[in-house]
Amino acid sequence: EVQLLESGGDLVQPGGSLRLSCAASGFTFSNYAMDWVRQAPGKGLEWVSIINSGETTSGENTYYADSVTGRFTISRDNSKNTLSLQMSSLRAEDTAVYYCAKRSWNGDALDMWGQGTVVTVSS
Amino acid sequence: AIQMTQSPSSLSASVGDRVTITCRASQGIRNDLGWYQQRPGKPPKLLVYAASRLQSGVPSRFSGRGSGTDFTLTISSLQPEDFATYYCLQDYSHPFTFGGGTKVEI
Repeated sequence: EVQLLESGGDLVQPGGSLRLSCAASGFTFSNYAMDWVRQAPGKGLEWVSIINSGETTSGENTYYADSVTGRFTISRDNSKNTLSLQMSSLRAEDTAVYYCAKRSWNGDALDMWGQGTVVTVSS
Repeated sequence: AIQMTQSPSSLSASVGDRVTITCRASQGIRNDLGWYQQRPGKPPKLLVYAASRLQSGVPSRFSGRGSGTDFTLTISSLQPEDFATYYCLQDYSHPFTFGGGTKVEI
């Protein structure tokens, strides 16, 4: 069974940093691109970032929403089946539920989602 | 970034109704669009990918159409479990973008 389990959500002060993780199981993690999507309280979904399948976090393998570019870094550890999102310079508007999601084999859809982890940015 | 305009933002319907939701892209995105359903307190669920391909396990009352800039999701006969919020997502070009969502209510 495919499973994605996010962790690392917390209350953090504005300007602070936080690292989210997503533990994947039930599929060959290294073969699939992975995304982060977030949802602010009472709001719609916002796409955050993608990392293509493969071993590196080089620029050509990662992409970001304009709202997080330069502040967030997506990475993956295929040996540990783990996706990460390093967040820095956090703002109140980054408060949201953060979902990790697996892309389909050809990358054209998000076919499996985790349950989400809550990030609250507040003083 | 490509803007995805979804309409309506909400609608009221009854069990058995036919419902259509629209997404319009600010530029052509071929058929690189998916539709997702989200029930309250739950993660999104993929319904349709590549604009018109039904995800495995999704009931056939759901269908997607469109290409280029205009796309629709249709529920042919609304069921109680279909009351939820629906989102489109373009993954034609980075940054990917969601529509604003359509809440389907009784």
